Parts: sequence; structure tokens; C-alpha cells
Amino acid sequence: DAEITQSPRHKITETGRQVTLACHQTWNHNNMFWYRQDLGHGLRLIHYSYGVQDTNKGEVSDGYSVSRSNTEDLPLTLESAASSQTSVYFCASSGRLDYEQYFGPGTRLTVT
Amino acid sequence: DQQVKQNSPSLSVQEGRISILNCDYTNSMFDYFLWYKKYPAEGPTFLISISSIKDKNEDGRFTVFLNKSAKHLSLHIVPSQPGDSAVYFCAAISGGGADGLTFGKGTHLIIQP
Repeated sequence: DAEITQSPRHKITETGRQVTLACHQTWNHNNMFWYRQDLGHGLRLIHYSYGVQDTNKGEVSDGYSVSRSNTEDLPLTLESAASSQTSVYFCASSGRLDYEQYFGPGTRLTVT
Repeated sequence: DQQVKQNSPSLSVQEGRISILNCDYTNSMFDYFLWYKKYPAEGPTFLISISSIKDKNEDGRFTVFLNKSAKHLSLHIVPSQPGDSAVYFCAAISGGGADGLTFGKGTHLIIQP
């Protein structure tokens, strides 16, 4: 069965460190997204990609970057982790003409 | 400025009764609306959606109603079951479907036996 996976599921890191969260989907979807979920904010869009070599900034992109070298993966990098980036991160994907997005299980990141 | 609003952080409903979750939006460019359900420690899962050209969409126990003039949509769950206890997110999208979703803050639905 097609799926979308995220790793690691839990991560603790120190302020200033570079961190990369992985997202891998086997749906063969063109569109991939990263969101963060915080209490009182719901889910907010960080970055998204329409296809290989394409990346776009979302609502809360400062301090984050993504790269899309193949269809299946969209890793999210925190260049220099800050305590404000402590959150639960969700990756999602959708087909070219689909509105529905399929979400991964999430990565809980704690920055100390 | 929050473009999708879910003003009830929580809702408690008795098993077997109707659950009604509400959502308001401010952006007139939204042309598709979705409801997602989320259990703790899991990712959101798609539940039901509605296009802005419709006013109702039904799927089993779940019905979504859209009132464009009021910029309001609601999710009805009938009858409510214990497994429906979860956080429900209203989401909206514009621009052809490839952009990210704009989410509300969520409503925690609690189904009481």
C-alpha cells in the first residue's frame, strides 16, 4: 500500500544545531508540503513543492529550508534550531489535481 | 489575521446524538473546503470535502454544509460514535489545488457514552 512516512518520530536537539527531518511518500504524488502544529495555532504551512527542483515558501518559512531532488522525498532542514521551533512537524502530499492531502504521522521536535 | 476560524475549542456530545462542528472563513478566494480528523500522536486524516460550487456533500454519517454568503461551513456527524472523539480541523484552499491548506485551530470533539 502507498504511504507517507516521516523520520525520526521524535527528536531532541540543542539550540543552534542543524536538524533535518525526513519525509518519504510512495504515492508518486507531485505535490508535497511541510506543516507545523502548535497549540493555539492549528497547522501552519512551512514550505511546499510542486515537483522535482521546485520549492515554495509558506506562511512560516523563516529558519527552514527544503529541497526536492526526486518525487518521493522532501526533507525539511532547520539551519540553526531555535527554541521557537519546538513543535510537531507534519509532511503531506497530494496528486497534481487533487485537493486532498495525505499526511504523515508527524515528528515531534524539541529544541533545548 | 486568521482566515479560517473554528471558534469552539471543544465540543461534548452524547453518543448517538448529532455532532455539529462549525467553521468560518474570511478569504473569498477559497474555492474548496476540507475537514480533517486527528487522533493524538497521528497525522490528520482526510474526512470529507466540498467545492465552493456546492452547498452540501454527504458521505455516510458525515455531511458538510457550505453557506457561501455567510462564509460559513459546518460538519454534521450523525449518529455520533465513541470513535469519533478526536480533533477536527477545518481547512480551505484556493488556486487550483496545488497550494497548501489553510487550517483552523481545530475543535476537540468528545463523545460521551
